[in-house]
Amino acid sequence: DAGVIQSPRHEVTEMGQEVTLRCKPISGHDYLFWYRQTMMRGLELLIYFNNNVPIDDSGMPEDRFSAKMPNASFSTLKIQPSEPRDSAVYFCASSYAMNTEAFFGQGTRLTVV
Amino acid sequence: GIQVEQSPPDLILQEGANSTLRCNFSDSVNNLQWFHQNPWGQLINLFYIPSGTKQNGRLSATTVATERYSLLYISSSQTTDSGVYFCAGVRSNDYKLSFGAGTTVTVRA
Repeated sequence: DAGVIQSPRHEVTEMGQEVTLRCKPISGHDYLFWYRQTMMRGLELLIYFNNNVPIDDSGMPEDRFSAKMPNASFSTLKIQPSEPRDSAVYFCASSYAMNTEAFFGQGTRLTVV
Repeated sequence: GIQVEQSPPDLILQEGANSTLRCNFSDSVNNLQWFHQNPWGQLINLFYIPSGTKQNGRLSATTVATERYSLLYISSSQTTDSGVYFCAGVRSNDYKLSFGAGTTVTVRA
């Protein structure tokens, strides 16, 4: 397997624009997680899915953030409208089951100017 | 999620030196992982080690679950070992992988 695949790797956008980050989990993994990494807050969980269903989105910072998983092989994290404070590295991760090893994608570095 | 404390926050090593990184967690865990974040930002899985000891080349890890800590050993360090090392844990019957703040390792030639 190619591992967790994220796109794009880098994104630079202007404040107010919509941003969509994409993730393809490892095949057969039932859990998908979106994390955000910043200098101030470190790595924090935004939302996670089990079998394509969002289970806990309490980490999503604001209503401007939304995530979907239309099928087992694809998830999106959308920010609309984007703000400079959303600048961070966004990671997607997947695992086979609860409390099993999680594998992370290469991340998307988002810069909002 | 649980609270995860890592020490030391920074470590500077001469190439060839050995070192130990520590991770303390606030509650019992069913999942404990060590990651290496390389200079390009990738999070590389090092160990999945809820308990016991594992070795992978020059790296080894030990988790003492009853005492809520884990150790990562780096032997004969190389410049490619530079980066940030994270540990992360999941409480029993939970799903949230909580990360420590990381240990930044710099290996000098």
